Amino acid sequence: AQKVTQAQTEISVVEKEDVTLDCVYETRDTTYYLFWYKQPPSGELVFLIRRNSFDEQNEISGRYSWNFQKSTSSFNFTITASQVVDSAVYFCALSEAQAAGNKLTFGGGTRVLVKP
Amino acid sequence: DAGITQSPRHKVTETGTPVTLRCHQTENHRYMYWYRQDPGHGLRLIHYSYGVKDTDKGEVSDGYSVSRSKTEDFLLTLESATSSQTSVYFCAISDPSLLAGAGAGELFFGEGSRLTVL
Repeated sequence: AQKVTQAQTEISVVEKEDVTLDCVYETRDTTYYLFWYKQPPSGELVFLIRRNSFDEQNEISGRYSWNFQKSTSSFNFTITASQVVDSAVYFCALSEAQAAGNKLTFGGGTRVLVKP
Repeated sequence: DAGITQSPRHKVTETGTPVTLRCHQTENHRYMYWYRQDPGHGLRLIHYSYGVKDTDKGEVSDGYSVSRSKTEDFLLTLESATSSQTSVYFCAISDPSLLAGAGAGELFFGEGSRLTVL
């Protein structure tokens, strides 16, 4: 069975600090997909990124970057120069490539609070 | 934004009563899902559908049933609600990536339905 662990339940930072969210996953599949979602205080779930297991290149999108390390089964997410608008709960998720439908297994989420 | 509508958005009910949550999509996506969100547990899959009248159980399916009679609608029913089913319920849709198979497409979520069972 697959599992996603986000060990940090809450992180509090001051604006402009960098923050890194950890995500560790378990799966027996060799092909799988990893996702990050953001849930702002308004409650909706916003897709941030998808990464497949064959692509270990790090990715940067503006102030967001992702570090995928297959050797340690981790897919960490860094927000650089955090802003108050980054305050949200962030979820890491995993899906198996051959599953019928895209059944995501989510981690417990990390709440990020960015203080002005 | 993906066209997903959940109804009702908020509901308070009493233990033992039946409850139905509706998810309606206008995207013609093949797959539909129901998740529940609880503190510390993230989102957990209740049931999903991979086509009209094709459904299957997820991780936390006990006490729930689903039906999909049309591509656009996916209903979640609590036959006899219990206090442990107090939660926020999210519907999601996805379509398989043409390049990489069913597991590649991201899920698009509805706005959630907050259910309180007293």
